[in-house]
Amino acid sequence: ETGVTQTPRHLVMGMTNKKSLKCEQHLGHNAMYWYKQSAKKPLELMFVYNFKEQTENNSVPSRFSPECPNSSHLFLHLHTLQPEDSALYLCASSYEGSGANVLTFGAGSRLTVL
Amino acid sequence: AQSVTQLGSHVSVSEGALVLLRCNYSSSVPPYLFWYVQYPNQGLQLLLKYTSAATLVKGINGFEAEFKKSETSFHLTKPSAHMSDAAEYFCAVKEKNTPLVFGKGTRLSVIA
Repeated sequence: ETGVTQTPRHLVMGMTNKKSLKCEQHLGHNAMYWYKQSAKKPLELMFVYNFKEQTENNSVPSRFSPECPNSSHLFLHLHTLQPEDSALYLCASSYEGSGANVLTFGAGSRLTVL
Repeated sequence: AQSVTQLGSHVSVSEGALVLLRCNYSSSVPPYLFWYVQYPNQGLQLLLKYTSAATLVKGINGFEAEFKKSETSFHLTKPSAHMSDAAEYFCAVKEKNTPLVFGKGTRLSVIA
């Protein structure tokens, strides 16, 4: 399988649940990203991992916990979320070091928090 | 810090008409500029990118964009709209060693 794959595509969870989003890339990229896409808001960069090291954390609440065990896999662990966290969560990857740094996106995980 | 402004959150054109989506950027150094497209229930897909080579950049699906430094603009155009072009379009700017910054997006509707 090629490209960036995100699972699950849809997730409904209660505020007390713990769940995880998974992202996998088979492009040989060395950087991975989590973005949050909410209605009527710009894309929000949440986390960036370069060579498995976290290099960006844009003041994301601690109820979101990223994990990057290797350069091909990225997780977003979710716990005690709020209804306002309902959004489309997009994973992306790129080859850092090429300058233009073109991102390849997955199809997203649609999260609904009840 | 770099920023992007997309004029018009929603643009509607007739099938066969010119598509023009506006993007202005702010950057303290020569930037990299991108247009991405998002179809319903999908992630973002790269349409085209400007990396300081030719100022007129051709992308996929007949789209092109022109980098105008004097106007700090990178507008996206297509001569003739097709129904399949209906989607959300995002302009983005990047400076070296900084994350990509996206605009708020413009939803394009194509009317038959």
